[in-house]
Amino acid sequence: GESVGLHLPTLSVQEGDNSIINCAYSNSASDYFIWYKQESGKGPQFIIDIRSNMDKRQGQRVTVLLNKTVKHLSLQIAATQPGDSAVYFCADQTGANNLFFGTGTRLTVIP
Amino acid sequence: GAGVSQSPSNKVTEKGKDVELRCDPISGHTALYWYRQRLGQGLEFLIYFQGNSAPDKSGLPSDRFSAERTGESVSTLTIQRTQQEDSAVYLCASSLRDGTYEQYFGPGTRLTVT
Repeated sequence: GESVGLHLPTLSVQEGDNSIINCAYSNSASDYFIWYKQESGKGPQFIIDIRSNMDKRQGQRVTVLLNKTVKHLSLQIAATQPGDSAVYFCADQTGANNLFFGTGTRLTVIP
Repeated sequence: GAGVSQSPSNKVTEKGKDVELRCDPISGHTALYWYRQRLGQGLEFLIYFQGNSAPDKSGLPSDRFSAERTGESVSTLTIQRTQQEDSAVYLCASSLRDGTYEQYFGPGTRLTVT
């Protein structure tokens, strides 16, 4: 069955350091992947997405890497700031089907 | 412009009562989704509406759950005979179905069944 899981449920980083949040997926037919950020008491907020025909995509301070060989997705946040503290979800989608979300990783930035 | 809105923001109900949750999607978004998020967990897909097509109800956990959508606007999620395990945050999202898949989420409704 479908599963999108995260290697670590929690991650603590020093302010200014880079953060890497990992995600594994099981459906080799998945062709679209998204990272969401969810702050306490709020709905998830889109961060960055990547399609399966790419292996890297960069945004503002964020980079998503996709390794289809091992079905692994990562989110890298450069110069992590206190405002980056949140739960981060990866999600994957196959064709026109629905997104499947992982459990999430709680990122805590230590000032 | 306005984002996805949901009401109420919080709902406390007694076990066995029915509840109705409302979602107002972003204007022009043809796709609308409902998710359930239990405390400390990920998002669980419930139901998906796309234009005038039949909704995808594959994620509804039981026949106590149902949802309606009026055209491409407001949607309501109804839970009948609520149980304590229904306690969760119910999130609604909408998206343009033009080849982009980004879903815009509302703030959610926190449902507590006592």
